[in-house]
Amino acid sequence: DAKTTQPPSMDCAEGRAANLPCNHSTISGNEYVYWYRQIHSQGPQYIIHGLKNNETNEMASLIITEDRKSSTLILPHATLRDTAVYYCIVRVRDDKIIFGKGTRLHILP
Amino acid sequence: DAGVIQSPRHEVTEMGQEVTLRCKPISGHNSLFWYRQTMMRGLELLIYFNNNVPIDDSGMPEDRFSAKMPNASFSTLKIQPSEPRDSAVYFCASSLFGADTQYFGPGTRLTVL
Repeated sequence: DAKTTQPPSMDCAEGRAANLPCNHSTISGNEYVYWYRQIHSQGPQYIIHGLKNNETNEMASLIITEDRKSSTLILPHATLRDTAVYYCIVRVRDDKIIFGKGTRLHILP
Repeated sequence: DAGVIQSPRHEVTEMGQEVTLRCKPISGHNSLFWYRQTMMRGLELLIYFNNNVPIDDSGMPEDRFSAKMPNASFSTLKIQPSEPRDSAVYFCASSLFGADTQYFGPGTRLTVL
């Protein structure tokens, strides 16, 4: 699996868009970018995934650069409940997930 | 659907005792995963099953750990004998076979004294 690099922590003001970056410069052509998050004391929760195109769902948007070497997860209107550790993962579809250290996002009131 | 169900939610035991963690995956899901999470090592995949068959157990730390999936609706993770360094939160997750999304249970917090 390709390795990902994420900042260890980030702050975002409540109501603002939270933009979480992820570098995956060694990603292969058949590897997807996945995002999960883990709210304190809970199991990880799937957010979104994509291959080449940008994706949007009810939780977030995923922007993948054209060369696919990096991506950004966007939470459009962050709330206090979005405080969590966010994991960026690249993997071949159907393969096992390897979690890194993620980004600890703090939403500030 | 009730989601992935794990029991017990908390377990405190003494070193040397046998511990059994249980998981009921989401109905219709064919893949099941066991993870362990500690502050030091983060979230680690221990083992996963497809159609009740263990596919990859390379993450199982040692012979004291064993996992079974006797049917599609039940799995166990056993530690025998338990040691203090096994203290962690153990998560179970399930997914449709060959699907993208894993759904995690609430976890079992294990403390070995």
